Amino acid sequence: QVQLQESGPGLVKPSETLSLTCTVSGDSINTNYFTWIRQSPGKGLEWIGYVYYSGTTKSNPSLESRVSLSIDTSKNQFSLRLNAVTAADTAIYYCARQSGGAALDYWGPGTLVTVSS
Amino acid sequence: DIQMTQSPSSVSASVGDRVTITCRASQESSSWVSWYQQKPGTAPKLLIYAAYTKESGVPSRFSGSASGTDFTLTINNLQPEDFATYFCQQANSFPWTFGQGTKVEIK
Repeated sequence: QVQLQESGPGLVKPSETLSLTCTVSGDSINTNYFTWIRQSPGKGLEWIGYVYYSGTTKSNPSLESRVSLSIDTSKNQFSLRLNAVTAADTAIYYCARQSGGAALDYWGPGTLVTVSS
Repeated sequence: DIQMTQSPSSVSASVGDRVTITCRASQESSSWVSWYQQKPGTAPKLLIYAAYTKESGVPSRFSGSASGTDFTLTINNLQPEDFATYFCQQANSFPWTFGQGTKVEIK
């Protein structure tokens, strides 16, 4: 059974960098695209970007200047870094697997990241 | 960006009812539209992808359709476990975008 699990700090100070890792089990990270999404009361669900095992990435233009996506196939993990965070980046962050139909068929449980001093 | 305007934002319904939720895309595009169900405190769950195709294990009372820029999720014979929030999502062009959600509540 495919499972994804986000990990990382739940509290980040303004102007610092948010770093999250998603660990995939039950599936090889070499076979699919993997995605980050966030959800906040004010902005709903927002697609952050995806990464492929080859290192190919695609990010939301609204975040592109601050986002870095990477993948570690040896650990079956992929990661998100978001620089220069503000309170507007406070959200539940989800990692998800992208299926062949460009849909998100497996999600992690999500992790709340709060930006506050 | 393609905006997905979802309606209604909420609906009150009874067990056994039919519920229809629509997402209107801001521009013509292909049918790479998915529907998700989300219950409080949990991640969204994929129901429908490519506008019409049911994800494995999804009950037959859920169906998806498309007409032009309108994409519809229909729930027939609403069951107690269907009370949740539903979202559409388009993957026709970047950035992928989501509708604002429809909360299906018990009447």
